[in-house]
Amino acid sequence: SAVISQKPSRDICQRGTSLTIQCQVDSQVTMMFWYRQQPGQSLTLIATANQGSEATYESGFVIDKFPISRPNLTFSTLTVSNMSPEDSSIYLCSAQLGTRDTQYFGPGTRLTVL
Amino acid sequence: AQKVTQAQTEISVVEKEDVTLDCVYETRDTTYYLFWYKQPPSGELVFLIRRNSFDEQNEISGRYSWNFQKSTSSFNFTITASQVVDSAVYFCALYGGATNKLIFGTGTLLAVQP
Repeated sequence: SAVISQKPSRDICQRGTSLTIQCQVDSQVTMMFWYRQQPGQSLTLIATANQGSEATYESGFVIDKFPISRPNLTFSTLTVSNMSPEDSSIYLCSAQLGTRDTQYFGPGTRLTVL
Repeated sequence: AQKVTQAQTEISVVEKEDVTLDCVYETRDTTYYLFWYKQPPSGELVFLIRRNSFDEQNEISGRYSWNFQKSTSSFNFTITASQVVDSAVYFCALYGGATNKLIFGTGTLLAVQP
């Protein structure tokens, strides 16, 4: 298994600002992902964070709004840019040791945009 | 297309009752993986179990048991003698080799009353 930490755990931000969320894994992993969970909803995949190359985004998510970095095999960041109240959600990162392995999740970042 | 259906939106039981959470999935993959995750009010997503498509053996872990039936495309989760600490949202998820993505159901909110 993998132990994943996220920072910050929660934040309250003003409209139009940006927030960068950090995700740290305790071991080297092949795959890292970012999900959004809107209030009362299920998880939606934002993108796959690729080490050393651009992230792979899902339909409806774009790099300008959600830039992602993954400089090495244990760390990734997600930035939520030019925030609006609709961005208020829990953002979770996950890690997968190998392609078909179990995904383990971080504790999430609870974001509120005013 | 891949899909996970959790028809039960909310379930309320009294402590010590048994409760079953239903999960029905759709996939064209011959090899796939099924998961259950628990999300307590704190927000983190906790991995509970993983099942491979070629292994239909039921599994028991303490008060938790899982019934996987390929014939009905179901992967149901039973909690025996429920406790207040079991109160959470439970997500069923499907991982298929064709998409390499984890598809979540909409979740079932379980409330265990003392």
